[in-house]
Amino acid sequence: NAGVTQTPKFRVLKTGQSMTLLCAQDMNHEYMYWYRQDPGMGLRLIHYSVGEGTTAKGEVPDGYNVSRLKKQNFLLGLESAAPSQTSVYFCASSAGEARGYTFGSGTRLTVV
Amino acid sequence: EDQVTQSPEALRLQEGESSSLNCSYTVSGLRGLFWYRQDPGKGPEFLFTLYSAGEEKEKERLKATLTKKESFLHITAPKPEDSATYLCAVQSYGGATNKLIFGTGTLLAVQP
Repeated sequence: NAGVTQTPKFRVLKTGQSMTLLCAQDMNHEYMYWYRQDPGMGLRLIHYSVGEGTTAKGEVPDGYNVSRLKKQNFLLGLESAAPSQTSVYFCASSAGEARGYTFGSGTRLTVV
Repeated sequence: EDQVTQSPEALRLQEGESSSLNCSYTVSGLRGLFWYRQDPGKGPEFLFTLYSAGEEKEKERLKATLTKKESFLHITAPKPEDSATYLCAVQSYGGATNKLIFGTGTLLAVQP
């Protein structure tokens, strides 16, 4: 009954460091997404995937990269972290178009 | 450009005091409108999907309705456990895939 699992839950990075956020889903969903949530800005789409081996840019992709080598996993990478990337990151998955998302519990990232 | 506006930003109710949250949207063609609930420190939790004007859906004390320009989330006789941020999102036919555009949410506080 795990749904969507995100790791880590919290992380503090120094400017210029790199890291990877992992998202895993056990619902056999085709679609996966990475959003960031900032106060007053709402949820904004970073990158998404419509199936294994595919990725596409969302609304705010700069500074991030993603990979979907396996259907159940969607990785979000920060190559050189910046303070502007301080945010809460949510991964989500869905079974198809016009279907609700299932969200993970989020990763709170602080870049100092 | 697809857009979602939620009002009010924050709402404080007494237990048992019914009210409504508003979600106004502009899309090229509505594929679906989604309501989510988000508790502090957690990911959004799916509540409803509405697909066409006139459609209504209910869950416990919540009832969602849809017109061609807006959606309402009616809360009847709320309890303190209904306190959360309620998010509205839309998916349009203009997008390439199953992307949701989110509003910034309404923070609901229900006092005993």
